[in-house]
Amino acid sequence: GDSVTQMEGPVTLSEEAFLTINCTYTATGYPSLFWYVQYPGEGLQLLLKATKADDKGSNKGFEATYRKETTSFHLEKGSVQVSDSAVYFCALTVNNAGNMLTFGGGTRLMVKP
Amino acid sequence: DTGVSQNPRHKITKRGQNVTFRCDPISEHNRLYWYRQTLGQGPEFLTYFQNEAQLEKSRLLSDRFSAERPKGSFSTLEIQRTEQGDSAMYLCASSYQGGLYGYTFGSGTRLTVV
Repeated sequence: GDSVTQMEGPVTLSEEAFLTINCTYTATGYPSLFWYVQYPGEGLQLLLKATKADDKGSNKGFEATYRKETTSFHLEKGSVQVSDSAVYFCALTVNNAGNMLTFGGGTRLMVKP
Repeated sequence: DTGVSQNPRHKITKRGQNVTFRCDPISEHNRLYWYRQTLGQGPEFLTYFQNEAQLEKSRLLSDRFSAERPKGSFSTLEIQRTEQGDSAMYLCASSYQGGLYGYTFGSGTRLTVV
């Protein structure tokens, strides 16, 4: 089956530090890859996506590159802010009839001033 | 566009009681999904509808769970004879066709079974 593995958190960084959250996947077909963010008390929000190999998704200073050879989609940001504190979920969907999302376990990011 | 709305936000129930949650998707979206998220875990797929048709159900959806989407608009998720293991956040999401352009998630209903 399909699965997503993320690095366990929490990840604690100081403001303006560099962020990497690792994500690897296994998929039965050709997946599209996503990062979702969940702020406290809120629903999941799409952060960025990539639909084919070597695509780079980017949004709000975050970026991730779809690496088919290493089955990875690591999330990076050059300079984090306190407001980036949240839980980040890597997810995939395979282009089947339902396009259901398979999520990783989530990584909590805590940014200290 | 008011997003995906879920009610109630919180529900505390005694073991053995029935509960029902409601999800109002974005009106233009023809697909509606239910996910369950337990503490510290990622969401897990439960079921989805295309318009009013329920097209797939996860093995996580036991016989005590039932979902409907009458007329292809709002959806309800009912859990009968609740158990403590049902305690979780129940998330609803909607999309137009497949989710390749991103799903829109609601804020969820947190169920606590005591």
